[in-house]
Amino acid sequence: EPEVTQTPSHQVTQMGQEVILRCVPISNHLYFYWYRQILGQKVEFLVSFYNNEISEKSEIFDDQFSVERPDGSNFTLKIRSTKLEDSAMYFCASSTMAYEQYFGPGTRLTVT
Amino acid sequence: KQEVTQIPAALSVPEGENLVLNCSFTDSAIYNLQWFRQDPGKGLTSLLLIQSSQREQTSGRLNASLDKSSGRSTLYIAASQPGDSATYLCASQMDSSYKLIFGSGTRLLVRP
Repeated sequence: EPEVTQTPSHQVTQMGQEVILRCVPISNHLYFYWYRQILGQKVEFLVSFYNNEISEKSEIFDDQFSVERPDGSNFTLKIRSTKLEDSAMYFCASSTMAYEQYFGPGTRLTVT
Repeated sequence: KQEVTQIPAALSVPEGENLVLNCSFTDSAIYNLQWFRQDPGKGLTSLLLIQSSQREQTSGRLNASLDKSSGRSTLYIAASQPGDSATYLCASQMDSSYKLIFGSGTRLLVRP
């Protein structure tokens, strides 16, 4: 069964460093999403992406964040200058339409 | 602004019991509602999606219902098993948006 994959599974970085989280959505899906979950808190929406552009973003998704679909398979989230409060589990998701979303296993980001 | 609430926060039941998990939302203009399972430190597994025009969906021992007018959804698990132990999340998608808005989840423990 097709699934969303994410790499790395765990990323440790120092405050102020740039990180890129990678995702491979399900191949025939057209909508892509990033969410995050800070330990013990709700899953929060960051951004949705369709037709090579951001379709919606949350207040969390400020200028420090960017997304890109560099080729036909990958979808990336970049954090330019990480802060301690960026430590969280980051989930990528994809869907065929604005419909049932399928989530990847997540990348645990630890900022020290 | 949509708020999603799940009660109870935690539930412990003996194996074999039928149980109901509750999800409520404040804005009834939803496009769909999705139920997920999350195992500790893992990603989100989609269980059921109910579109706004539907009243319920079934998959195996799981049945989810939706009552838009009262702002409620329930997830019914029949004949619970220890393997059902996990956190169950509900998430709503609004008519005008792509994002999922999550509840804080119900942590279920099924005792052998």
